[in-house]
Amino acid sequence: GAGVSQSPSNKVTEKGKDVELRCDPISGHTALYWYRQSLGQGLEFLIYFQGNSAPDKSGLPSDRFSAERTGGSVSTLTIQRTQQEDSAVYLCASSLPGGNYGYTFGSGTRLTVV
Amino acid sequence: AQSVTQLGSHVSVSEGALVLLRCNYSSSVPPYLFWYVQYPNQGLQLLLKYTSAATLVKGINGFEAEFKKSETSFHLTKPSAHMSDAAEYFCAVSQDRGAQKLVFGQGTRLTINP
Repeated sequence: GAGVSQSPSNKVTEKGKDVELRCDPISGHTALYWYRQSLGQGLEFLIYFQGNSAPDKSGLPSDRFSAERTGGSVSTLTIQRTQQEDSAVYLCASSLPGGNYGYTFGSGTRLTVV
Repeated sequence: AQSVTQLGSHVSVSEGALVLLRCNYSSSVPPYLFWYVQYPNQGLQLLLKYTSAATLVKGINGFEAEFKKSETSFHLTKPSAHMSDAAEYFCAVSQDRGAQKLVFGQGTRLTINP
């Protein structure tokens, strides 16, 4: 596609429920990243995919968080048993291979846990 | 590991005045450096990047940044601020030349006064 697409754009869920956030990267971008942005905070790295593999998942905050990528394209970030501290904007980005291209970001999913 | 420091979480300038947003990185090895802008309720958009071709880098919307190895800095400037420049600005650095993961600063919120 023309840009990085994230869905849903907004999600309100009850504490304890599971949620799935979707990211559809730019076609041909082999690298995909998930970041979290809490209110008034910077970007917190969660996980990085190269193709379908995740060489760096060091930022996942707990075992309630998981992510997968299939077909070298769409990625899903799953949060199980959501907590109020999970409320944040979840940003997905994709890039060409190599460190000098920079990322293209999606518009994010705003998650609110009530 | 690389780290990024943005001096000033909030910067306020008058319309038409010089914009200066400060960014310092931690490594002595020149990495790749980026500036991103985030408008309200949107994802991050690449403003400009340094990849060693030239130390003075020009980006979109009249912004530019100068890489200074001796000062480990990559400050963002614009000669004359416009109301539409009001946004959050993030500096980012690659972990090293071979790495794709970016480390982001905490962000600087730019306010433009009429």
